[in-house]
This record gives sequence, structure tokens and C-alpha cells, in this order.
Amino acid sequence: KAGVTQTPRYLIKTRGQQVTLSCSPISGHRSVSWYQQTPGQGLQFLFEYFSETQRNKGNFPGRFSGRQFSNSRSEMNVSTLELGDSALYLCASSLGPSSRGANVLTFGAGSRLTVL
Amino acid sequence: DQQVKQNSPSLSVQEGRISILNCDYTNSMFDYFLWYKKYPAEGPTFLISISSIKDKNEDGRFTVFLNKSAKHLSLHIVPSQPGDSAVYFCAASTYNFNKFYFGSGTKLNVKP
Repeated sequence: KAGVTQTPRYLIKTRGQQVTLSCSPISGHRSVSWYQQTPGQGLQFLFEYFSETQRNKGNFPGRFSGRQFSNSRSEMNVSTLELGDSALYLCASSLGPSSRGANVLTFGAGSRLTVL
Repeated sequence: DQQVKQNSPSLSVQEGRISILNCDYTNSMFDYFLWYKKYPAEGPTFLISISSIKDKNEDGRFTVFLNKSAKHLSLHIVPSQPGDSAVYFCAASTYNFNKFYFGSGTKLNVKP
């Protein structure tokens, strides 16, 4: 069973640019969440999508957005990049809120974004 | 607002001994807790979970204890092995939501 796949794994952008990150969940998983990890900050919740709808949102500015497609694949976009956006962006999938044990998140390896 | 805290950034333990990783939370609505392990250049890997209806959950060498009155949980690893060396994160949520609050992590070093 394939795990959660994130692309690209590494990317470098400059301030003011935008970036799109992609996440393919485990087959059968319908919920996709995004987290930002910065040194010493742990993982900060960005948003969660289920059945193409954003169910939960973290405390990030509107420059951070996402979407989910009918096949459960998800993308997140960051516009007008700032230096502080440099981080590891992690995607996690789970079965969904209606399944017992659904709330165990399975993470991908992450996309390492560097903003210069 | 850090609702989940791991106050020990690092822990060093001898192989074969017990490792105890601690986690505190402030939100009394949290009723579901997870522990994850993370190696460099990899995503976090799920270890063990516990819901608020229990105070202990075991899975092999890993045991999680939950003290709801103290809003505290701990992960015990017995016996510790060098391969356990990684960063450990605790996470908390309410059961019906997939919005998890993570601690900042504890780096465990198990010395051979």
C-alpha cells in the first residue's frame, strides 16, 4: 500500500513568488491535513480537507490556501512568499471523521521550502 | 498560544533503560492524544494513541499514560534501543476533529 506522497520534496523560491505543493493521500483516505514545521515550533496546523471541503483551518494568513480534488489529492498554495515561510510542509491523510480510529494521521515525508 | 507543551527539548538515555517523555496540555476539551516519532528527512510516524476514556494504553515496548486531572501525558519506552533515537511529538485533538495541536518535540538519544 503506497504511503502519502508529497511533491516536490525540496524547492527554493524568492520573496514575493508563489508556490504550490502537492499531496497524494493513502488510497481510501478521504481527509488530508497540512502542517508547517519550523525549528523549535513543532507542527502548526494549516488546514484540513475532507470530501473537497475545508473542515478546519489554523491561524495562518490568507496567503496560505489549499484545495482538495475529487480523488482526495490535495494542493496547498502560498502566495507572496516571505522569508518566514521557509519551513517543512507536511501533509497527512486519514480515513475521515466518520471512521473509528479515523483520527490517526499518516504523514508524508514533507516538502522543504526555502525562501531567499 | 501553545496548547500542547513538551518542556524537555532533549533526553539522553542508556540502551536498555526506560525513556520517559512528557507532554502537558492546557485545553480541557482535548480528549484524544497521539504520539509520533520523527527521523531526519522523514515524515512523523505514528506510535501510539490514547483517548480520554482510558488512562493507559500499551503497544509492545511503548506505553502511554494519561492523567486528565493534571492535563499530562507521558510516553514510556522500555527497554530503550538505539533505533529509538529520534524526535518525539505529542499531539492532542478533540475526537471529532482532525485538527491536532502538536508539541515542539523532544529529541531522544539512546546511547549504546
